[in-house]
Formats: sequence, structure tokens, C-alpha cells
Amino acid sequence: QSVLTQPPSASGTPGQRVTISCSGSSSNIGSNAVNWYQQLPGTAPKLLIYTTNQRPSGVPDRFSGSKSGTSASLAISGLQSEDEADYYCAAWDDSLKGVEFGGGTKLTVL
Amino acid sequence: QVQLQESGPGLVKPSETLSLTCAVSGYSISSGYYWGWIRQPPGKGLEWIGTVYHSGSTYYNPSLRSRVTISVDTSKNQLSLRLISVTAADTAVYYCARQISLAVGTAWGQGTLVTVSS
Repeated sequence: QSVLTQPPSASGTPGQRVTISCSGSSSNIGSNAVNWYQQLPGTAPKLLIYTTNQRPSGVPDRFSGSKSGTSASLAISGLQSEDEADYYCAAWDDSLKGVEFGGGTKLTVL
Repeated sequence: QVQLQESGPGLVKPSETLSLTCAVSGYSISSGYYWGWIRQPPGKGLEWIGTVYHSGSTYYNPSLRSRVTISVDTSKNQLSLRLISVTAADTAVYYCARQISLAVGTAWGQGTLVTVSS
């Protein structure tokens, strides 16, 4: 199992704000940047947030990231049907000396 | 606009070696960045396999280190993955990615499914 813990599922209605959590430890989230990926069905992951709260060019500002202690969150405001996807957090782990991904959260837009 | 395309056998027998290449277009590997491999077993989450810096330095997932080799061929502008002694647990979609750091993949290939089965 992953050292980064995400809820397996989340849901919301169009226009709503949803958050997805990623819980880790002092050796990963607590001391390193967190990154978020969006994976639409049948496609490769896409970088959504890097260095905890930075958006790559082209990613809408509806997506935002934050971190507090050993936990991080991805927030999606103004939820849209096209946001229905799997979301993964990722961070370097100083103890394991490797990149760790969360188990993923499946977001359903109701 | 950088593009990455994975290729290789879709079926590998248990105990044999999995070999994949990732052709990069639109950017010269020798110019910079990290280049990595990530895999995803069917219906499961993502797993970092390893990363090579454009200069050749490598970083591997500790759980796979004894079996994996990642390299770059700047003359062909491609990176390669070699995974020895495969088992059914290595069945996955394998992605290559351009990375700005080990945990940040900014451009990804479409992925290629490799099944380990006799």
C-alpha cells in the first residue's frame, strides 16, 4: 500500500467545490513538495499542480493545491463534468529514497 | 511541443526481460531535463520505476533497483527501460515522461501495455 493516503473516492455536483486530501509523513509531505496529477479515463496522467501550489500553463485556476504539516489537499472549485477523473498526489520520500504516489482518488461529478 | 512514444513487446514471458523504448520528438534529450518511467497495473495506481538525467545519472525505485536499468541514447533521442526477471506482478501500462524533477512529470507518452504471461 501507498505511504501517501488518499480517499478512494470523492464526489460533487456541478459548480460545487471539492477537496481531495493526501496524508503522508515527515519524510515525504512534511519535508518535500507535493504534486498532483489528473488521469482521465483511458489516458495518461496529466500534471495538474507541482511544487505544492503551482499550476502548469494551461491548467485552469479552478484547481489549487495546498499543504499543512504532513497533509496536502487539492481543491477544485466550480466543478465541471469534465473534471471526472482519477487524481493522484506524489512526493519524494526521504526515508524510502524514492518517489511515492498516493493510491488515487476517483472523482465523480453527480 | 515535446512528444513521447513508448514501444516494445506487448507480451513477455515470466522470468524473461522486459525492454521498452521511448522515442522523444520535439526536444533534444541531451539539452536537459530528467526522463522517467512510471507504470500502472490494470485498475491500480501509479508506481515510479526510475529516472535518468540527461547527463546519464540514474535514480531508481528502491523496490525495483535490483532488476531495472534506465538509459538514454542521445544519438537516437530516446530513452530505454530494461526490467529483468519479470513476473505477473510486472504486468502494467508503462509510461515514459519528461520530468522537471523526480516527482514532476510535465509531458507523458500515451503508455504501452505489457503483459507478463506464458
